[in-house]
Amino acid sequence: DTGVSQNPRHKITKRGQNVTFRCDPISEHNRLYWYRQTLGQGPEFLTYFQNEAQLEKSRLLSDRFSAERPKGSFSTLEIQRTEQGDSAMYLCASSFAESQAFFGQGTRLTVV
Amino acid sequence: AQSVTQLGSHVSVSEGALVLLRCNYSSSVPPYLFWYVQYPNQGLQLLLKYTSAATLVKGINGFEAEFKKSETSFHLTKPSAHMSDAAEYFCAVTLTSGTYKYIFGTGTRLKVLA
Repeated sequence: DTGVSQNPRHKITKRGQNVTFRCDPISEHNRLYWYRQTLGQGPEFLTYFQNEAQLEKSRLLSDRFSAERPKGSFSTLEIQRTEQGDSAMYLCASSFAESQAFFGQGTRLTVV
Repeated sequence: AQSVTQLGSHVSVSEGALVLLRCNYSSSVPPYLFWYVQYPNQGLQLLLKYTSAATLVKGINGFEAEFKKSETSFHLTKPSAHMSDAAEYFCAVTLTSGTYKYIFGTGTRLKVLA
């Protein structure tokens, strides 16, 4: 098992463009979490899934953000009409029920 | 509401010296507390966690933390720093066991001097 995989690792986009990130959790992990980490800050919770159901969304997840986990396996996080304030590291984590959560290496987004 | 405060955004210690990273929490109910380490351009790795069992928790790489309810603290220590300990450390809290909807502190960057 290679752990939680996130792609791409880096993304540079122009303001106003849409971007999509992918997270592949550890096999058979039924819970998946998304966090955002800006420079000099700790990660902030965005949303989490149990299987394919999105159980909770933070108020940080504006209308421009959408996350899916269609088959209860991989997840995507899409940001529409990106803004410079969206520049951050986006982290994904997965766990099997209440067992330990494992984090991916993150996708660093730069909006220019 | 829950919150986590990490005192000291940067800490420097000499190799072989004691490492002490401070974390104070605020929670209206008994919390679950965690310490994570993050190396540059990497994800987070769990060092240790407190889930209402023993108040002194031992983790990986020689780290340990003590939960002190009276002081609302969960400071991270290591008796002897190693160069490889240089990284950013995050304290986190969650109210619900098994749900990793964390509230993280702002982090402490540890520098180890040769």
